[in-house]
Amino acid sequence: GEDVEQSLFLSVREGDSSVINCTYTDSSSTYLYWYKQEPGAGLQLLTYIFSNMDMKQDQRLTVLLNKKDKHLSLRIADTQTGDSAIYFCAEQRNAGNMLTFGGGTRLMVKP
Amino acid sequence: DTGVSQDPRHKITKRGQNVTFRCDPISEHNRLYWYRQTLGQGPEFLTYFQNEAQLEKSRLLSDRFSAERPKGSFSTLEIQRTEQGDSAMYLCASSARTGGYGYTFGSGTRLTVV
Repeated sequence: GEDVEQSLFLSVREGDSSVINCTYTDSSSTYLYWYKQEPGAGLQLLTYIFSNMDMKQDQRLTVLLNKKDKHLSLRIADTQTGDSAIYFCAEQRNAGNMLTFGGGTRLMVKP
Repeated sequence: DTGVSQDPRHKITKRGQNVTFRCDPISEHNRLYWYRQTLGQGPEFLTYFQNEAQLEKSRLLSDRFSAERPKGSFSTLEIQRTEQGDSAMYLCASSARTGGYGYTFGSGTRLTVV
């Protein structure tokens, strides 16, 4: 999805916080999602945020949304080796039900 | 209900053959979506159904691709005359509403065209 961009790779040490960033282009997006994908598996929905919110916290996950800059971030607190995976952000626009995905950020957690 | 089921998990086929994949959505979900994911990329939307009606199919990659959801429950995605470029993961998702936690993906069908 060229309309949604993410950095390719992030490496952190176990116990540190991870921040994965995403930019999108459509200001009419209603929901923004974060999915996790482990090797050979489907997509696991981690969390989502509605466009009228600035922040959402869910246990170790914090999502921040800056609508002015069309910037979305996912913070994972106390990152564990089991968090190693590819993380995708996705936007859902008003016009339809499809999701537009970014290219994914590979998170590597070192022990 | 254990979530969105896809069958088969893996399919290897020879170029030129037809293949069909099946998706069983979460039972109370009336919307069903198909995506394709190639290696190193995010999923790309193909088509979606609300009940048995196919409401968006302009994103299907060519006229070799078709999808059905005859009774508003399970769906099939068919690729005719497969090409090597069709090798990818084909993902199905379902939802009961337009956003939020209802949007659930299956584990996918990995297609390899040799």
